[in-house]
Amino acid sequence: QVHLVQSGAEVKKPGASVKVSCQASGYIFTSYYIHWVRQAPGQGLEWMGIVNPSGGSTSYAQKFQGRVTMTRDTSTSTVYMELSSLRSEDTAVYYCARPPSESSLWFDRWGQGTLVTVSS
Amino acid sequence: DIQMTQSPSSVSASVGDRVTITCRASQDISSWLAWYQQKPGKAPKLLIYGASTLQSGVPSRFSGSGSGTDFSLTISSLQPEDFATYYCQQANSFTLTFGGGTKVEIK
Repeated sequence: QVHLVQSGAEVKKPGASVKVSCQASGYIFTSYYIHWVRQAPGQGLEWMGIVNPSGGSTSYAQKFQGRVTMTRDTSTSTVYMELSSLRSEDTAVYYCARPPSESSLWFDRWGQGTLVTVSS
Repeated sequence: DIQMTQSPSSVSASVGDRVTITCRASQDISSWLAWYQQKPGKAPKLLIYGASTLQSGVPSRFSGSGSGTDFSLTISSLQPEDFATYYCQQANSFTLTFGGGTKVEIK
């Protein structure tokens, strides 16, 4: 069974950075891209970017360019999303998500979500 | 970026009702559209992809239609477990974008 298991909730101060992990299991890790999507409290879904677990290449939404870094560790089948210069507006649940195939850009597998709270 | 506009933002309906949600893209996305259902505190669940293909395991009362810029999700006979928020998502090009959501509430 495919599973995406994310790290636990975080509380950060404005200006700090946060690194969220997403550990994959149940499939060949390097065969599927991983995306990151976030959701602010009571708000809709916002795509942040994509990482290729095979080669490590990334593509980020322009909104997050310069503040987000997505990496992977093939030895542990884990993808990471680091967001820097945090502000209160970054308070959200962050999800990793996986498409059903390499050519798909919709998501049939999701992590459980990681709440990141930014507060002084 | 492609803008996705959903309507209505909320709808009140009764069990057994037929509910239709619409989604409009700011430019032609062919059939590169997905629909998700989300319940409070849970990750979204894929319902429909390719505008009209039902995801495995999703009840047949859910259906999707449309192409180009105009799409719809229909629930033919609303069940208690269908009260949730629904999102469309364009899968045509980066930056992937979602509609603002439609909350289906109990009347």
